Amino acid sequence: QQPVQSPQAVILREGEDAVINCSSSKALYSVHWYRQKHGEAPIFLMILLKGGEQKGHDKISASFNEKKQQSSLYLTASQLSYSGTYFCGTETSGSRLTFGEGTQLTVNP
Amino acid sequence: DAGVTQSPTHLIKTRGQQVTLRCSPKSGHDTVSWYQQALGQGPQFIFQYYEEEERQRGNFPDRFSGHQFPNYSSELNVNALLLGDSALYLCASSPTGTYNEQFFGPGTRLTVL
Repeated sequence: QQPVQSPQAVILREGEDAVINCSSSKALYSVHWYRQKHGEAPIFLMILLKGGEQKGHDKISASFNEKKQQSSLYLTASQLSYSGTYFCGTETSGSRLTFGEGTQLTVNP
Repeated sequence: DAGVTQSPTHLIKTRGQQVTLRCSPKSGHDTVSWYQQALGQGPQFIFQYYEEEERQRGNFPDRFSGHQFPNYSSELNVNALLLGDSALYLCASSPTGTYNEQFFGPGTRLTVL
């Protein structure tokens, strides 16, 4: 079942912060976060594993609440380059990802 | 280090035709997954190949088939194309094992007329 992302869209001014949420009704082994710019491939940002391990970019932070099957992506001091659509992909078994519908982030000067 | 590459970049076909899309994984990766992304939506899992076999499959009809070669590259074949097959087809590669990051290629934009 597809994870639910919120908000659907957010507009920021450069330097502001944002939080993007992802929730699933199924037990998760991991949550993957990607950013996609228009016409481009999704770019890997971070993976959060059951048990607390994280792998990803140093400037990106995220959390994974295993009990609630929820993850949040924290974007601080946003830059213009942060604009794009953010997708969470949830993994319930066997490295197959199920993606949410995305959160469109726009950062204005 | 070359990332994931896909060919062709764009493709236009008519209903009923067949199409083959190709993917070369990132160096050191042996697992290839294919996704379909409709405009404005998240990628949807089609299937995954490992050791030249289909390991997992999403909710796609048998018209969608694939193959993985000994060098880990992969093909996605779609038969009897429908208008609804128009989408961006993404290939993602990952190293052996589960819970690893998947790296996406630039995609093939398929238009079915």
